[in-house]
Amino acid sequence: EDQVTQSPEALRLQEGESSSLNCSYTVSGLRGLFWYRQDPGKGPEFLFTLYSAGEEKEKERLKATLTKKESFLHITAPKPEDSATYLCAVQAGGDSGYSTLTFGKGTMLLVSP
Amino acid sequence: DTEVTQTPKHLVMGMTNKKSLKCEQHMGHRAMYWYKQKAKKPPELMFVYSYEKLSINESVPSRFSPECPNSSLLNLHLHALQPEDSALYLCASSQDLIPNWRRPGNTIYFGEGSWLTVV
Repeated sequence: EDQVTQSPEALRLQEGESSSLNCSYTVSGLRGLFWYRQDPGKGPEFLFTLYSAGEEKEKERLKATLTKKESFLHITAPKPEDSATYLCAVQAGGDSGYSTLTFGKGTMLLVSP
Repeated sequence: DTEVTQTPKHLVMGMTNKKSLKCEQHMGHRAMYWYKQKAKKPPELMFVYSYEKLSINESVPSRFSPECPNSSLLNLHLHALQPEDSALYLCASSQDLIPNWRRPGNTIYFGEGSWLTVV
């Protein structure tokens, strides 16, 4: 069974204090690992897709990396507007060939000014 | 900005009402999804349509009835719901349900969601 574990559950940072969020996964036949940002009461907003170990992607203050067992979302010099819940999800091959998402429980990030 | 549009944004309904949630995308995606999300929980998959045919039903109670009138539209018909069905209902879409070698994974794009309260 595919499993995704995110840590920490919650993280409080001061503005400008860089940190990383972790997503560890167990999946057979990884097709992709996805990071989403979700603001309260809204749908998840797509951030990154990572397909293979060693891959890295960046967007503004965010950088996502992938190994064979985990992914990190690095936040450099965060701002209060980066406060949100960050969701990690994996997409595996599956016996049916279908590729649906298995989500972690998310990390709630709060950045204080 | 999300290109998956959901209406209404908020819905309050009684347990005997019949209502519908609507979703539209114009990205040419052939797979469309309904997810349910409770507070402080990750989204849970309910249904998936691929090329306008129901491909996945995650053992969802029959009081939820999905419909895909065409490749751009997805509806979720609601009838005789229970208070515990109150949640954020998310529509999503992706290029395909089954990836191929050109595109090993399918990015799934979500709408803003419809907040449903059952009273």
